[in-house]
Amino acid sequence: GQQVMQIPQYQHVQEGEDFTTYCNSSTTLSNIQWYKQRPGGHPVFLIQLVKSGEVKKQKRLTFQFGEAKKNSSLHITATQTTDVGTYFCAGRNTNAGKSTFGDGTTLTVKP
Amino acid sequence: DTGVSQDPRHKITKRGQNVTFRCDPISEHNRLYWYRQTLGQGPEFLTYFQNEAQLEKSRLLSDRFSAERPKGSFSTLEIQRTEQGDSAMYLCASSPDRANYGYTFGSGTRLTVV
Repeated sequence: GQQVMQIPQYQHVQEGEDFTTYCNSSTTLSNIQWYKQRPGGHPVFLIQLVKSGEVKKQKRLTFQFGEAKKNSSLHITATQTTDVGTYFCAGRNTNAGKSTFGDGTTLTVKP
Repeated sequence: DTGVSQDPRHKITKRGQNVTFRCDPISEHNRLYWYRQTLGQGPEFLTYFQNEAQLEKSRLLSDRFSAERPKGSFSTLEIQRTEQGDSAMYLCASSPDRANYGYTFGSGTRLTVV
């Protein structure tokens, strides 16, 4: 079945440093979603990417979808303490139906 | 509408007992999903409904797990003869019946089997 892998598993940064997490799927995806889960919380939807090579920005966050639609990345510029949490990617093979989640990258930010 | 609601928030049960969880999705969302999450892992897909129809169920699920969405609104997830390995956070999510929409998750039900 489909597998979604994320690296790194953990990332510790100093406040103000940049952060990137990478997501790779074993199969070509219809779309990919990104979620953020704060400690003790539930996943919160951030964004969905659909098109090959798509790049989307949300303030300090930049999301990319690979040309082959099998990989994606999330980059945070100048991290803040409010960015702490676990970032999950989730890939879908069709427009509807289930998403397969990676195991996430946990970001900690030292003030 | 206050989002996706799950009840109870916590459940402790003895091994071998049956448990049932409830999920109330966002009212205008036709799609409803159940996921399970353990510490350090991403959410694992369990099952998915479009209105009242259960369209997909994970092959990883044993026959002890069953889910319903009888009127296309709220959903229940039942686990029969619970085992310690069932201990996890059970997350419900919903989304609109439109292509390319992300999930809105509930706060989850944390199950502990002792």
